[in-house]
Amino acid sequence: EAGVAQSPRYKIIEKRQSVAFWCNPISGHATLYWYQQILGQGPKLLIQFQNNGVVDDSQLPKDRFSAERLKGVDSTLKIQPAKLEDSAVYLCASTLRPTSGRARETQYFGPGTRLLVL
Amino acid sequence: GIQVEQSPPDLILQEGANSTLRCNFSDSVNNLQWFHQNPWGQLINLFYIPSGTKQNGRLSATTVATERYSLLYISSSQTTDSGVYFCAVSFGNEKLTFGTGTRLTIIP
Repeated sequence: EAGVAQSPRYKIIEKRQSVAFWCNPISGHATLYWYQQILGQGPKLLIQFQNNGVVDDSQLPKDRFSAERLKGVDSTLKIQPAKLEDSAVYLCASTLRPTSGRARETQYFGPGTRLLVL
Repeated sequence: GIQVEQSPPDLILQEGANSTLRCNFSDSVNNLQWFHQNPWGQLINLFYIPSGTKQNGRLSATTVATERYSLLYISSSQTTDSGVYFCAVSFGNEKLTFGTGTRLTIIP
């Protein structure tokens, strides 16, 4: 089966510009996660969707970050405007079953999008 | 929130050597997962192991939940084992919290 797909793989922008990332989870996976991984650190959850509803967005900087999963399949994460500290790898992951907020299922990760903000 | 500490932060070994990676966590958990992030950034789930012991080929993991730690064993290391190993934990409905990882370098 195909894995989690993400695009673009790399993006370089200037501060105050906007950027969007796309994720297509494994077919049939109900739960989708966006993580931010800053160099030298572990991934940090930004937002979790179950089908097309938000389960957890407590760590999403909502003044500049937004995400949607309109049809319960693929998802888009947007940053507007970008800051220097947003430079990181943005990882998308998915799990098969609805988790009702519990992260006990094995998470399958995409290859990530490397963002550099100059 | 739960604190996750991993040790050692860096490990350099000769091919064929064995290694033990440790994950300590600050509170009760009912979900613990080990991941490998390869040099190209891809994260792969190795084990879901909130308690007990599991083995998969040259890798095995043990979690002692009552003592709040987990160990990942890698035997007969290969260069393809290089990368960063992360432990991630959660309890109840909480999100997974990742540690800062152990960077493993296997030298041919």
